Amino acid sequence: GAVVSQHPSWVICKSGTSVKIECRSLDFQATTMFWYRQFPKQSLMLMATSNEGSKATYEQGVEKDKFLINHASLTLSTLTVTSAHPEDSSFYICSATGTGGSYEQYFGPGTRLTVT
Amino acid sequence: GDSVTQMEGPVTLSEEAFLTINCTYTATGYPSLFWYVQYPGEGLQLLLKATKADDKGSNKGFEATYRKETTSFHLEKGSVQVSDSAVYFCALSANTGGFKTIFGAGTRLFVKA
Repeated sequence: GAVVSQHPSWVICKSGTSVKIECRSLDFQATTMFWYRQFPKQSLMLMATSNEGSKATYEQGVEKDKFLINHASLTLSTLTVTSAHPEDSSFYICSATGTGGSYEQYFGPGTRLTVT
Repeated sequence: GDSVTQMEGPVTLSEEAFLTINCTYTATGYPSLFWYVQYPGEGLQLLLKATKADDKGSNKGFEATYRKETTSFHLEKGSVQVSDSAVYFCALSANTGGFKTIFGAGTRLFVKA
């Protein structure tokens, strides 16, 4: 149980275009989802926290107009990288917590974004 | 604020060697503690967890004990295998942060045959 999927697993796009990444909880309802960014050989950097039906809370230094997050249902959150540039190339990982009050997060497999 | 510090890598061991990866934390309140593992090109997988002081988490031969007095959660395995080569992240999560998880920098482990 507690499976989180991401789609796509990898994407290549041209500079200036927008890319949408989906994060789904497959067998549980996710009240809270998190989006992380991971640079090569580095730790995860939390970008934002999203709760179903409300606006995402962004970490300091993360541009909310560039990284649009929507958490429209208890099983789906999306991250849209708008007007992507090569420096946005990274590994994006989502995670979700369930409704039971557990602190455990369930992580998606990640999406590798390459902007050319 | 809350933070996690873990030993820098990379750590290189021979197969069947003993592994210790140190992890200490700073937190207000009573966090849950986790070890996650990331294999090359993949996302994170929960390896083990402990939710209160003196709890021992264990999985796949790995163990870690929640030590409140030393604010530590060191990861150990008695005999590593080549397949254990990965990056290991120590992490904490507490409701004071809205269930946000704080990660350590990660420790890369290489196991040689």
